[in-house]
Amino acid sequence: DVKVTQSSRYLVKRTGEKVFLECVQDMDHENMFWYRQDPGLGLRLIYFSYDVKMKEKGDIPEGYSVSREKKERFSLILESASTNQTSMYLCASIEGNSNQPQHFGDGTRLSIL
Amino acid sequence: GENVEQHPSTLSVQEGDSAVIKCTYSDSASNYFPWYKQELGKRPQLIIDIRSNVGEKKDQRIAVTLNKTAKHFSLHITETQPEDSAVYFCAASISPRGSTLGRLYFGRGTQLTVWP
Repeated sequence: DVKVTQSSRYLVKRTGEKVFLECVQDMDHENMFWYRQDPGLGLRLIYFSYDVKMKEKGDIPEGYSVSREKKERFSLILESASTNQTSMYLCASIEGNSNQPQHFGDGTRLSIL
Repeated sequence: GENVEQHPSTLSVQEGDSAVIKCTYSDSASNYFPWYKQELGKRPQLIIDIRSNVGEKKDQRIAVTLNKTAKHFSLHITETQPEDSAVYFCAASISPRGSTLGRLYFGRGTQLTVWP
């Protein structure tokens, strides 16, 4: 069974801090994704990566960056956290073929004070 | 890019009744349509998916239909139970020519409540 692990379930940070959210998958998947989930807005794609050191912007990349130094790990970085980045963050992965279901982590509920 | 619209945003049904959630998409190149269920505090989990070469797919009490001409697809849950209460998301994916990666475009979700 695919396992996608996010490093924290809950995280509280202060405005202006640099925040790292980590995601690890154990199935050697090529493609990994970071989403943000807000009530009434569904899942919005922030960034995705289809290979080590490769990244593509999603629909809402502003204020975020990502890092994929190893195939199994995809990190989301909030360069200077702001209160409007308080949200649930979900990581997902799939195998190389696009017509496959995405496997999600449990999510990180991030609060920026 | 692709735009997926999902209706209704909330749906309440009595236990044993059927529930239907509808989604439309804009890009005729979309060819993969998964449905996810997210229970409170949990991760989204795939419950059923359909590919564009199929018009309907069934798995026990859950079915999905796809109308490529009209560019819409629907989730049908029969004999609903309280444990079906959750948020349901539809999504669509395109496989660009020459690419192995097709991102998913999600609808905004439907909160389904099944009353006992």
